Order: sequence, then C-alpha cells, then structure tokens
Amino acid sequence: QKEVEQNSGPLSVPEGAIASLNCTYSDRVSQSFFWYRQYSGKSPELIMSIYSNGDKEDGRFTAQLNKASQYVSLLIRDSQPSDSATYLCAVFYQGGKLIFGQGTELSVKP
Amino acid sequence: NAGVTQTPKFQVLKTGQSMTLQCAQDMNHNSMYWYRQDPGMGLRLIYYSASEGTTDKGEVPNGYNVSRLNKREFSLRLESAAPSQTSVYFCASSELDGTRCDTFGSGTRLTVV
Repeated sequence: QKEVEQNSGPLSVPEGAIASLNCTYSDRVSQSFFWYRQYSGKSPELIMSIYSNGDKEDGRFTAQLNKASQYVSLLIRDSQPSDSATYLCAVFYQGGKLIFGQGTELSVKP
Repeated sequence: NAGVTQTPKFQVLKTGQSMTLQCAQDMNHNSMYWYRQDPGMGLRLIYYSASEGTTDKGEVPNGYNVSRLNKREFSLRLESAAPSQTSVYFCASSELDGTRCDTFGSGTRLTVV
C-alpha cells in the first residue's frame, strides 16, 4: 500500500463547477499536508498547506483535513480552464520524508 | 533570487554510464530532496537530507547515491545507468520542520539508451 493515495483521474468538470480532489495517507502521526499543482512539462508549485483538522481557505481553494480518517481534500470553486493540471497531494512524515501521491489530473471544460 | 537550481536540464546516457545530477539552493533551507517522476506515478522520493550531514533513503533508492556536500548542495549520482532510470528528476528544498516545502528545481530530463 502506498503511503499516500490519490485517484489518478482524469477528473473532468465544467467551467464554473466545484472540483473535488481527494487524498488518503497511512501514517497517523503525520502533521503537515500539502497540495501542489503541476502543469504539463513544469515543476510542481505549492498551492495549499494545512496542519490542523478542519478547513483552510485561500481564494477559490479550500483544503480540508480529517486526521481521524487520515484524509485530505482540495476543493476548487468556480473552476477555470486555467486550473487544468495535475494536482499532487504530499504528506510530511516524521524524520523528514515528504511523500507524494500519484497525482490527479483535472480537466476543466469551457 | 534563484531558488533551487538543477543541472543539467537534459541528458542522454548509454546503459552503464555514470553521471551526477547537481542541485543547489540559496534559501538557507535545511532539508533537501531528490524525486523522480514517471508518467502516472506522481513524484517518488529517491533520497532526502533532513539536515546538513545526514542523508536517508526514500521510496526508490536502488541504483542511486547522494551526497549532501554542504547546506546548499545535494547531488544525485547514478553509478551505472539503466533504461529503467529514464525519468524526469526533481530536486526540492524545505524548512527542517516540514511546515514549508514550496521550492522545486526545474527538473532534469534523463534518457538512458
């Protein structure tokens, strides 16, 4: 079992809709969680970080963390075609490891 | 402010050849990482260095070695390249406590023939 799991997609949503991306992780003691966006042929870029249970909002993005269920999600409101990319969930483990999921490809159709 | 600099950007190797990928960061981060990315596989951790003077294996360390030369530099070496090591390699850096990991290099596209 991978330490960090995501649905690989592709996930297709119409422009203006809410895109929901999900991630589960295996280590209960993990404290730091991140979402990255990666456009084709580019490096990953950090878009959200979350450290405590609940929701964290930044513009059109909301990260949700449920440590009891070992579950992290990313919601993108009012999705735009420019949001089309691969979204990577990452979990920071004790000892210094930062482990990524396999990524979810999102396609926003005009 | 360059952030994380990787060299080279592209490389073609023959099977059995060796090479070193270089990575340097100028943000005074303690932790540095090497990842490989293959289609549909996300980013897989090869090796990491939580702080200067330490290195640890990640998810896929076989066939690689690393050196944390100083706080700024973290190199990845392929001693005898194999076609299975054809991939895009990314270096990244972060603060020691993991509360930030927001800087990746531009990547090295390696092809082993």
